[in-house]
Amino acid sequence: DAMVIQNPRYQVTQFGKPVTLSCSQTLNHNVMYWYQQKSSQAPKLLFHYYDKDFNNEADTPDNFQSRRPNTSFCFLDIRSPGLGDAAMYLCATSRDMEDTQYFGPGTRLTVL
Amino acid sequence: AQSVTQPDIHITVSEGASLELRCNYSYGATPYLFWYVQSPGQGLQLLLKYFSGDTLVQGIKGFEAEFKRSQSSFNLRKPSVHWSDAAEYFCAVGTPSYSGGGADGLTFGKGTHLIIQP
Repeated sequence: DAMVIQNPRYQVTQFGKPVTLSCSQTLNHNVMYWYQQKSSQAPKLLFHYYDKDFNNEADTPDNFQSRRPNTSFCFLDIRSPGLGDAAMYLCATSRDMEDTQYFGPGTRLTVL
Repeated sequence: AQSVTQPDIHITVSEGASLELRCNYSYGATPYLFWYVQSPGQGLQLLLKYFSGDTLVQGIKGFEAEFKRSQSSFNLRKPSVHWSDAAEYFCAVGTPSYSGGGADGLTFGKGTHLIIQP
């Protein structure tokens, strides 16, 4: 029944070692989002895809990239994780603009 | 740009008591408004949303919220809280896309941590 799935739920990586987080959806939604949520803070939008169109937030570091190979999947790539990138990463989807966003359970990233 | 303020970082309420969590937004027009709840280590669950129409909206788990344009507020209420309501609550603002082909992410408040006393 899960509609927005994130794998893995917990990810540990080493400083500077590339890591990829995965998000998939069974809702056939057009829009997929990635948010970063640091401890005790609000989620912050990194970027989103509307279909195949990528939209990056102005203050998202270049270290963060994303891929959406098809409607169902979206990946977050962190090219060289730093200690400051340790956070919960939340994926969300919405059918279209102005629609409700549905969130996955998140992936908690630890950087050693 | 839009912004959201949740003035209360922590709120403690006795089980069975009523609850009101405050949310104020800043945006030039009528935004789309949301309340999400987050349990520790979990993702966000939508409680309710306001897009248009009736300014009093009902959500899941017995929550409701009222949109007041004159006060730029969207406060969340529950008449009687349960211990399972202890969580982090986020108010969020969404805005219509300007381009017609894209979508905007949500702008979240910093959250209110709800503690339930027995």
